[in-house]
Amino acid sequence: LAKTTQPISMDSYEGQEVNITCSHNNIATNDYITWYQQFPSQGPRFIIQGYKTKVTNEVASLFIPADRKSSTLSLPRVSLSDTAVYYCLVGDWNTDKLIFGTGTRLQVFP
Amino acid sequence: GAVVSQHPSRVICKSGTSVKIECRSLDFQATTMFWYRQFPKQSLMLMATSNEGSKATYEQGVEKDKFLINHASLTLSTLTVTSAHPEDSSFYICSARDRTSGNTGELFFGEGSRLTVL
Repeated sequence: LAKTTQPISMDSYEGQEVNITCSHNNIATNDYITWYQQFPSQGPRFIIQGYKTKVTNEVASLFIPADRKSSTLSLPRVSLSDTAVYYCLVGDWNTDKLIFGTGTRLQVFP
Repeated sequence: GAVVSQHPSRVICKSGTSVKIECRSLDFQATTMFWYRQFPKQSLMLMATSNEGSKATYEQGVEKDKFLINHASLTLSTLTVTSAHPEDSSFYICSARDRTSGNTGELFFGEGSRLTVL
């Protein structure tokens, strides 16, 4: 299972764009990249998932370079409610076994 | 959309007792579910893979006799913390994927169950 590395914490202000980068140098061919958000005392919530290039949904964008050794979660115009821990996970298509890394604790200030 | 639900959300018990936590996939069938444990300010740690109709697969360092997992149906997995001690106090979370939408389907997590052992 590919290990992921991401910053422990980040600070931002309301209205700014936040980019969180995750390194996964040992990603395998069958691995996909998923980002989750977790609030205190709640289970992780799915944000976005991708395999390569760029994926965009209503809440975020995910940028994956050609070598797939890293990925960047982009949150446009964050609000106070985006304060949470964000996890980057790499997992095999054929199994659902996901190993969580440290996550990035995002603090959004007014 | 597909939902994974856990029960109870909170439980307090005395040291030495056993506690059962349920994980249900509400509108899809899950042949595999996963159990995680999370201590305060820490990341989720995978404990075991729950397999419907067969024995669970435990991660290294997780005592299978301490954390009993039963996946008796395609919509229910249970985690029983036996002879609980204060150090077992933690946030337990399960996950499952709706495979009817194919391999690209979202992996859903339950709301979590907070166990406090006195």
